[in-house]
Amino acid sequence: AQSVSQHNHHVILSEAASLELGCNYSYGGTVNLFWYVQYPGQHLQLLLKYFSGDPLVKGIKGFEAEFIKSKFSFNLRKPSVQWSDTAEYFCAVANYGGSQGNLIFGKGTKLSVKP
Amino acid sequence: KAGVTQTPRYLIKTRGQQVTLSCSPISGHRSVSWYQQTPGQGLQFLFEYFSETQRNKGNFPGRFSGRQFSNSRSEMNVSTLELGDSALYLCASIPPTNTGELFFGEGSRLTVL
Repeated sequence: AQSVSQHNHHVILSEAASLELGCNYSYGGTVNLFWYVQYPGQHLQLLLKYFSGDPLVKGIKGFEAEFIKSKFSFNLRKPSVQWSDTAEYFCAVANYGGSQGNLIFGKGTKLSVKP
Repeated sequence: KAGVTQTPRYLIKTRGQQVTLSCSPISGHRSVSWYQQTPGQGLQFLFEYFSETQRNKGNFPGRFSGRQFSNSRSEMNVSTLELGDSALYLCASIPPTNTGELFFGEGSRLTVL
């Protein structure tokens, strides 16, 4: 069965620090990859996605992620975090050509940014 | 445009009862998915509906069911509630074009006592 692993449960950083959140998935076929974010008290929203093409994708608010097929990884990065980035981040995968509504999510990483 | 509306936002039930949750997707979206979110398991896929038909179902017991109406509104039902059903139930509205993006509602938080 497909699965998504997020390596860190809780990450605490100071403002201006660099961020990298790990995500690995298990699936042998072609996949679509996503990062969603849930800010405190708000609904889940898409941060960025990878379907095909350039493995380095850019999302909103300065986030980017790199798809490394050989490592089955899709790590999220941001060069300099802000207090407003405090949120929970979820990596997700979907089968390419499969059901759009059926995503496999990781268990999430809580990011706390200290001002 | 209006977002995804889920009702009720909060509810408390006791073991053995049943519950019905409602989701109104974004206008023009004919597909919805439901997810269960818990601290221990994260987000788990429950089911997906398109044009009143269940298209996919996750690995949940038969106590969990759903349906979709002709106006694309969807309901999910959980019967014979157990303590472990306490969770945030999220509905996602799926756009007609395959952008891959799901638009989530704020969820219905169910507490089972």
